[in-house]
Amino acid sequence: GAVVSQHPSWVICKSGTSVKIECRSLDFQATTMFWYRQFPKQSLMLMATSNEGSKATYEQGVEKDKFLINHASLTLSTLTVTSAHPEDSSFYICSARPGQTFNGEQYFGPGTRLTVT
Amino acid sequence: DQQVKQNSPSLSVQEGRISILNCDYTNSMFDYFLWYKKYPAEGPTFLISISSIKDKNEDGRFTVFLNKSAKHLSLHIVPSQPGDSAVYFCAAYRSARQLTFGSGTQLTVLP
Repeated sequence: GAVVSQHPSWVICKSGTSVKIECRSLDFQATTMFWYRQFPKQSLMLMATSNEGSKATYEQGVEKDKFLINHASLTLSTLTVTSAHPEDSSFYICSARPGQTFNGEQYFGPGTRLTVT
Repeated sequence: DQQVKQNSPSLSVQEGRISILNCDYTNSMFDYFLWYKKYPAEGPTFLISISSIKDKNEDGRFTVFLNKSAKHLSLHIVPSQPGDSAVYFCAAYRSARQLTFGSGTQLTVLP
């Protein structure tokens, strides 16, 4: 099946620093990738949608200058949390949609636990 | 505006019995509905989907039913196994747009 990886799986950083999270589709080309954030015991909240080679589309309330998304190739998207603060601590999950999909299926990465101290 | 709702935050079922997870939606424009399973600190795993033009889709122990008039779908797991214990999210998709997720239901299958 389709596999999506994320790196790192967990990261601890100091307040004010930036953190980059990578999302890779390992065995398929993903024309569209999504970034989600999940707070404890809550649903996945879509942050942004990125299409390869174009600017990401951010959901309302998500600061695009704080959460930089780059989808440079059909297999890689990155999320950079800039000037991280403790309230940015969360579980970040990416997903990828194959170039040809007939049912809207997305494949999710294993997630990245970010802790900002 | 919650377009996809899972009103039961948790469900406990005895091993071997049927688990029924429910989901309601408000947007009649959704094309596909999907169920995902999620373990703590992991990404969701796709389980099964159904097109809006169908009313049932079956895959092994998992069956999804769609009632368009009621804007309701359900996931049946038969027989339930302890390894099925996880959070189940229903999600809906409308042509080339992003998935909209429900809030999830924690299923616990008791041995």
